[in-house]
Amino acid sequence: DIVMTQTPLSSPVTLGQPASISCRSSQSLVHSDGNTYLSWLHQRPGQPPRLLIYKNSNRFSGVPDRFSGSGAGTDFTLKISRVEAEDVGVYYCMQATQFPRTFGPGTKVEIK
Amino acid sequence: ELQLVESGGGLVQPGGSLRLSCAASGFTFSSYWMHWVRQDPGKGLVFVSRINGDGSSTNYADSVKGRFSISRDNAKNTLYLQMNSLRAEDTAVYYCARENLKLGRDAFDIWGQGTMVSVSS
Repeated sequence: DIVMTQTPLSSPVTLGQPASISCRSSQSLVHSDGNTYLSWLHQRPGQPPRLLIYKNSNRFSGVPDRFSGSGAGTDFTLKISRVEAEDVGVYYCMQATQFPRTFGPGTKVEIK
Repeated sequence: ELQLVESGGGLVQPGGSLRLSCAASGFTFSSYWMHWVRQDPGKGLVFVSRINGDGSSTNYADSVKGRFSISRDNAKNTLYLQMNSLRAEDTAVYYCARENLKLGRDAFDIWGQGTMVSVSS
């Protein structure tokens, strides 16, 4: 199975300031079809996860443009340009290049 | 409204069985791969099982293979997870999720609210 790691595991941030989360995979996530199947999910306390980013850098419908995804191969980054209060929670990366889908351990974002 | 609603969770003794259901609405259910993903209390997300649109193809995590069975009834717009020989380590919140291949195989774009399964004597 592809192992996903995330850093940091906890990130205190200041409202209005940028935040960045790193995700690394144990193998390249470039699929034979040329796509990179790396998505980002956000989970608020007591809520199910919700999709933010798919195929590495595509923002899902309704997701604010302060969220962006980037990276290649085995190293990926989720950036929040200006953190808002509603952005608190846990962020997970997930790979779907190889079966089974595997998730990172999560990064908890909280306001300082 | 696009929606998934799980049910069927509860407290069960080790070795027991439960059947989870996930009722879909607002979209053409039979057109989508569906997944079960679980979350151990206070921990991360783990893939459990998936099934294609017509139910002819299924896959399982090694940890549940031979004990869990995924199925669907497209006439009822409902996904199921039959869980047998339950163990304490199966304790988790179980989510159903839709995989939207129109976006990508990594696009789990709809999630249910989850149903809690507790395995304890």
